[in-house]
Amino acid sequence: AQKITQTQPGMFVQEKEAVTLDCTYDTSDPSYGLFWYKQPSSGEMIFLIYQGSYDQQNATEGRYSLNFQKARKSANLVISASQLGDSAMYFCAIGVGGSARQLTFGSGTQLTVLP
Amino acid sequence: GAGVSQTPSNKVTEKGKYVELRCDPISGHTALYWYRQSLGQGPEFLIYFQGTGAADDSGLPNDRFFAVRPEGSVSTLKIQRTERGDSAVYLCASSSGFGYGYTFGSGTRLTVV
Repeated sequence: AQKITQTQPGMFVQEKEAVTLDCTYDTSDPSYGLFWYKQPSSGEMIFLIYQGSYDQQNATEGRYSLNFQKARKSANLVISASQLGDSAMYFCAIGVGGSARQLTFGSGTQLTVLP
Repeated sequence: GAGVSQTPSNKVTEKGKYVELRCDPISGHTALYWYRQSLGQGPEFLIYFQGTGAADDSGLPNDRFFAVRPEGSVSTLKIQRTERGDSAVYLCASSSGFGYGYTFGSGTRLTVV
């Protein structure tokens, strides 16, 4: 079974500053993918970024980057130049295997961007 | 459609009643997923369809839950003899490939009273 641990229930960051949201994972499968989603108060889950276990380079998508440290089993999300609209719940998730499609989510981190 | 559509957005039902939740995925997405999100938690996997067949239904909590996707597009999640513990947001998602992330709908908030 897979597990995602997000140890920060809530985080605050000043507008225009960078913030790192922590995520550690546990799986025995050598082939897996790591995902980050954003869930604003409206409730919709918004896909942000993906990192495959065999990817050599850290994934980046605009202001989002994933700090992937395989040996430490961590996949932290870095948001640069925070904006007020970044205030939301952020979930880390893992999917394993080539054919398996279910994702296991963490409990989330509530990010608040302060003006 | 442009996104994943879920109806109804809210459903209040009495304990013991039967409910159906509908999901209309993005056109062309062959993979469809149902998740359940309880208050203050991350989504939990229920079932995954590839085409018309349920490829993985290991997340369904018991036999009161059932889902179908008869034509490989729209899916319906069916819950019989609802219980108060079934109250949650039910999320549907579709995907064009594993590494591309899933596109989620806005969910159906089910409240069993």
